[in-house]
Amino acid sequence: AQKITQTQPGMFVQEKEAVTLDCTYDTSDQSYGLFWYKQPSSGEMIFLIYQGSYDEQNATEGRYSLNFQKARKSANLVISASQLGDSAMYFCAMRESSFAGFQKLVFGTGTRLLVSP
Amino acid sequence: NAGVTQTPKFRILKIGQSMTLQCTQDMNHNYMYWYRQDPGMGLKLIYYSVGAGITDKGEVPNGYNVSRSTTEDFPLRLELAAPSQTSVYFCASSYWDKGSGANVLTFGAGSRLTVL
Repeated sequence: AQKITQTQPGMFVQEKEAVTLDCTYDTSDQSYGLFWYKQPSSGEMIFLIYQGSYDEQNATEGRYSLNFQKARKSANLVISASQLGDSAMYFCAMRESSFAGFQKLVFGTGTRLLVSP
Repeated sequence: NAGVTQTPKFRILKIGQSMTLQCTQDMNHNYMYWYRQDPGMGLKLIYYSVGAGITDKGEVPNGYNVSRSTTEDFPLRLELAAPSQTSVYFCASSYWDKGSGANVLTFGAGSRLTVL
């Protein structure tokens, strides 16, 4: 069974600094995908970034980048130039199966990021 | 587009009561999902649907039922509420994100349910 592990319950960073949130995964599938979602205190889940297992380049989306190391089975989220609005819970997730658009995601337990002025 | 809309946002139930969490999406997505999020935990899949008339169990389906009579609506029914069902419930649907090349889940705002 697929599993996502996020070992950092909480992280602190100062505004404008970069921060890395760790995510490791376990799967026997050759084809899989990894997602990061942000959950602010208001509770909604916001999609940030995606990395497919066959993608050769690390995914980037604005200030977010995904440091994908396939051999180590890690998919860390890097947030550059942190902003106060980045304070939130961050969840790593892996798609368990996919066909024709169907996505079944397995989530990690999350990392709470606090950005200080 | 309103996206994924869930109602109610908050609800308190007594043990043994029943209720339905409503979910509707206006994006014509075939795939819809119900997740629950317990305090300090990630989301766990309760039920999902790949289209109208087709539903299937996820990881934690016990105590819940779903139906999908239309593409837009995917209600979640709790028949006999138990304290273990105290949680935040998220409905979601999938869409194809051209930028990332991924099928991405877009979530509703969540429904916080407390069973006393």
